[in-house]
Amino acid sequence: QVQLQESGPGLVKPSQTLSLTCTVSDDSVRGDNFYWNWIRHHPGRGLEWIGYISYSGSTHSNPSLRSRVTMSVDTSKNQFSLKLNSVTAADTALYYCVRGVYQFDSTADQSYWYFDLWGRGSLITVSS
Amino acid sequence: EIVLTQSPGTLSLSPGERATLSCRASQSVSSPYLAWYQQKPGQAPRLLIYGTTNRATGIPDRFSGSGSETDFTLTISRLEPEDSAVYYCQQYGSMPQISFGGGTKVEIK
Repeated sequence: QVQLQESGPGLVKPSQTLSLTCTVSDDSVRGDNFYWNWIRHHPGRGLEWIGYISYSGSTHSNPSLRSRVTMSVDTSKNQFSLKLNSVTAADTALYYCVRGVYQFDSTADQSYWYFDLWGRGSLITVSS
Repeated sequence: EIVLTQSPGTLSLSPGERATLSCRASQSVSSPYLAWYQQKPGQAPRLLIYGTTNRATGIPDRFSGSGSETDFTLTISRLEPEDSAVYYCQQYGSMPQISFGGGTKVEIK
């Protein structure tokens, strides 16, 4: 069973940069149909998609965060990473790394998108 | 941006009852790109349904999804105690833009 594991600092000071890395337990980072996402869950609120990166390095991110987000992938280490700069208390959340699947079903002649694997989450608190 | 609104906020039902969860979109969502997730306390979300109607691997057949365009539904036909959780809908749109609903909490009496 493929697993994803986030690693991060836990505590970040306001105005600094939050850095997170996700390690994937197999080499599916190189898969054509997989997109590597960051999703966060604010305390008492819902889920917010931050963005994704493909194995080739192409990225897409939430317009509300785009100016502060940088993502990278290291296929040799089966890892992908997130940097979120100029953080404030509003960035305090549980951050998940998540595998997104873009699947084509030839029988149905239909493609699908969904998140099939989630890490356990890394709690990031922004505080001085 | 497509906004997903889930209702009700909380559903309190007894074991064996039927639960009907609604997800309404501010614009039309392509059915293959609508999914549902279950999240229990202290756990990451788990994929239940993708493509509006397709159950993910290992998901019991008491879970089913339906809907189209702006109105989607997750139905749990016979509630079991382990179904107590928060349920989220999620859409994938062009650009791409991905968004989640605010969640429905299902409580088992």
